[in-house]
Amino acid sequence: QSVLTQPPSVSGAPGQTVTISCTGSSSNIGAGFDVHWYQHSPGAAPKLLIYANNHRASGVPDRFSASKSDTSATLAISGLQAEDEAEYYCHSYASSLPGYVFGTGTKVTVL
Amino acid sequence: QVHLVQSGAEVRKPGASVKVSCKASGYTFTSYGITWLRQAPGQGLEWMGWISGYKGNTYSAQKFRDRLTVTVDTSTTTSYMELRSLTSDDTAVYYCARGGVIPSTRNWFDPWGQGTLVTVSS
Repeated sequence: QSVLTQPPSVSGAPGQTVTISCTGSSSNIGAGFDVHWYQHSPGAAPKLLIYANNHRASGVPDRFSASKSDTSATLAISGLQAEDEAEYYCHSYASSLPGYVFGTGTKVTVL
Repeated sequence: QVHLVQSGAEVRKPGASVKVSCKASGYTFTSYGITWLRQAPGQGLEWMGWISGYKGNTYSAQKFRDRLTVTVDTSTTTSYMELRSLTSDDTAVYYCARGGVIPSTRNWFDPWGQGTLVTVSS
């Protein structure tokens, strides 16, 4: 169902930097549609982290950053903390459907 | 503070319908839209549909178009999502989230409701 591909999992030690890729195609990210990122912790509602490619949502620490290029986007978490353990999803728009699409999700583990 | 509070868990038999509510507070309801999404067990997030809090016009994913109805009641700042002809594949946590007042390709969703578990089982 998901048209945006993410790695299933990434991990890092506290203080390290991890990156999560979100790969799409010419009908979604590559068509110029914005990418947004969400953090989903178990038992909680998904939380907006990044909107419009690289803008941090209100209250989100500057340890979270994102970029977009061609048909993909990347979320970076620097200074990794235990509280960052969660599932992360990218989100964009697909003209081929048409409609909003999400990534496959990436579980971040803090070692 | 902006909040979206959803109704409680539901259990339905195959072929039945379910209606989930989403009560919004803390912002001007008619200046935004409400989007509905779901997450099946072990699966990712899936967008279902959107409704304007202003005019009540809707926009749905083609997959759900023939059995999904999304409505708003501006007097109570509540959105409702009704899904009909349920099958076991519809077992999921259903979320509402605030989005743009028009179904722009640029829309992001913030905040989200706490989620409503819908279980479809005979």
